Order: sequence, then structure tokens, then C-alpha cells
Amino acid sequence: GESVGLHLPTLSVQEGDNSIINCAYSNSASDYFIWYKQESGKGPQFIIDIRSNMDKRQGQRVTVLLNKTVKHLSLQIAATQPGDSAVYFCAETPARIQGAQKLVFGQGTRLTINP
Amino acid sequence: DAGVTQSPTHLIKTRGQHVTLRCSPISGHKSVSWYQQVLGQGPQFIFQYYEKEERGRGNFPDRFSARQFPNYSSELNVNALLLGDSALYLCASSLAPGTGKNGYTFGSGTRLTVV
Repeated sequence: GESVGLHLPTLSVQEGDNSIINCAYSNSASDYFIWYKQESGKGPQFIIDIRSNMDKRQGQRVTVLLNKTVKHLSLQIAATQPGDSAVYFCAETPARIQGAQKLVFGQGTRLTINP
Repeated sequence: DAGVTQSPTHLIKTRGQHVTLRCSPISGHKSVSWYQQVLGQGPQFIFQYYEKEERGRGNFPDRFSARQFPNYSSELNVNALLLGDSALYLCASSLAPGTGKNGYTFGSGTRLTVV
């Protein structure tokens, strides 16, 4: 089936600490994964992506790790800031069906940064 | 350049009524996707349109329909509204029905409340 789930619904960290958000996916045919950040009243905002032929990808303060063996995805945020407080979603892209390509989102993890 | 614009931002409807939600993609983007996000969950794929044709449909009843216009803007229509249709409806714009870095840009959504 198609489902993307998260290990923890909420995560609270101290400002300046590193945070790790985890995600499990079930569709082994998915070849592209994206992390989104969603702030209150806004749509999902692209953070970082990774293709299935990669294990790790780094951006500015963020790193995504992909473990295809156990179908696990993680987002690491370094030196968290108050502006990082939001809900984070992982999304996968199953194989195209009739030309369409949809995103399958997980439930989301709410990250709270404590001062 | 303007991002993805959705209208209205909020609306309240009564059960059994009909609603039309609108989306204008980023200039130059020819594909529009619609997602439903129920409170506390990740977005769920409803439709994808490209070059004015439906390219994919999620697991939603026939009460949900959409179309794309020659200027690539799109409308999502929902008939015979149910309480369970209350959600944030998101529009995502992309150059084509594919993914890639920053492939999908989401609007801020329309918050629909059915009473």
C-alpha cells in the first residue's frame, strides 16, 4: 500500500540543539522523497529532497538521510532556531500512474523550539 | 513574481451546499495539483491537471471535480458538502507533473468549514 508514517507526532528541543525527525515509508518503488515544513496558516514549504540512489543529502542546516533497506527517512536540523518551530512532513512519490505523479504525505511531526 | 494564489482564504458552508475553490499557479507552470488536508493529518492527493487535462485522481468520491483553464488556473468543485469535507484545501503548482528540486510549490490553501 501507500503510506508514509512518522515515529513521533511531537518533538520539543532547546534552542541551539540539533533535532532529528524520523519517517517510515512503505512503498519500496518510491524513488523520490521530500521534506516539507508547514507553519500555521501556510501551505507546505519545500526544505530538502533526496532521490533513492542517494543515502544522504545536505542543505543549509538540514540533512536528510535515506535508508532504503529499512525504508526509513530522517531530517536532521542543526542548531535549531525559534523559526524552526512548525510541523514537518515527509512525502514520497510512488511510481507514475497515467502520467500523474502525486505526493504521499505522512501525518507530520510538530517541532517546538524552547528558548 | 507572485507565488501560488488561492481564493478564498476561508469560507463556511452548510451541509449539502456546493463550493468552488480557485487556484492560480506560478507564471509559466502548467500543472496544478489539489490536496485535502484534514486537521492533524498530512495532505491527501485529490487531482492533478496538466495542459488542461486530468492526469490523476486520488481516492475521493465523484462529488469532487476539477478543471483547468487555458491560462492554467484551476477550480476545485465539491458538491453535496459533508461535515467531513471540512479541511484545508491546498493547490500545488509545477512546471509539469513531475518532481525535482522545488518541483511543487504550494499555496497557502483555502480553509473550508462545513456546518
